[in-house]
Amino acid sequence: AQKVTQAQTEISVVEKEDVTLDCVYETRDTTYYLFWYKQPPSGELVFLIRRNSFDEQNEISGRYSWNFQKSTSSFNFTITASQVVDSAVYFCALSSYNQGGKLIFGQGTELSVKP
Amino acid sequence: DAGVIQSPRHEVTEMGQEVTLRCKPISGHNSLFWYRQTMMRGLELLIYFNNNVPIDDSGMPEDRFSAKMPNASFSTLKIQPSEPRDSAVYFCASSLVGQGDNEQFFGPGTRLTVL
Repeated sequence: AQKVTQAQTEISVVEKEDVTLDCVYETRDTTYYLFWYKQPPSGELVFLIRRNSFDEQNEISGRYSWNFQKSTSSFNFTITASQVVDSAVYFCALSSYNQGGKLIFGQGTELSVKP
Repeated sequence: DAGVIQSPRHEVTEMGQEVTLRCKPISGHNSLFWYRQTMMRGLELLIYFNNNVPIDDSGMPEDRFSAKMPNASFSTLKIQPSEPRDSAVYFCASSLVGQGDNEQFFGPGTRLTVL
């Protein structure tokens, strides 16, 4: 069975703090893909990043960085120097090679960045 | 470049009424997904289509729900009869067919309220 766990339901930080959102996944497949999506208060789901199971290189995009570790089945997301505009619900998701793109989402982490 | 288009954006109806949600995927995408988001169950996949053919409808809650994709540019999700527990945000997403590696682009969602 496939499963994504985001243990942090809510996180509150003050602007300019760094914050890490945790994501742990379960799958028996050897080829799979991991995603992060952002859902701001306006409600839409915005794609942030995709990683495949063969690429454990960490990725940095501006203030965002992602740490993928197969050994611990984790795909954590760090925001450096958080800003109020980062306030949103963040979802981690998993899909497998033979599932046709079906996404399994975690429950989401609500991040609140206060000025 | 138009994204995924959903209509209506908001729907308020009374229990027992038929509800039809509509989705136009991104041109050129050949996979389409319907998701439902609730506080209790989070984001869950209801059904997805590949080249207009339903592939996995195991997430459809019951026979009151049905989905169609008559052509590559249009899909509907119908609830008949609707019940208060169907109140949720329904998202449509599309992607290029692949093996789970392509990101899905989400529409703005339809917020359904069943009184």
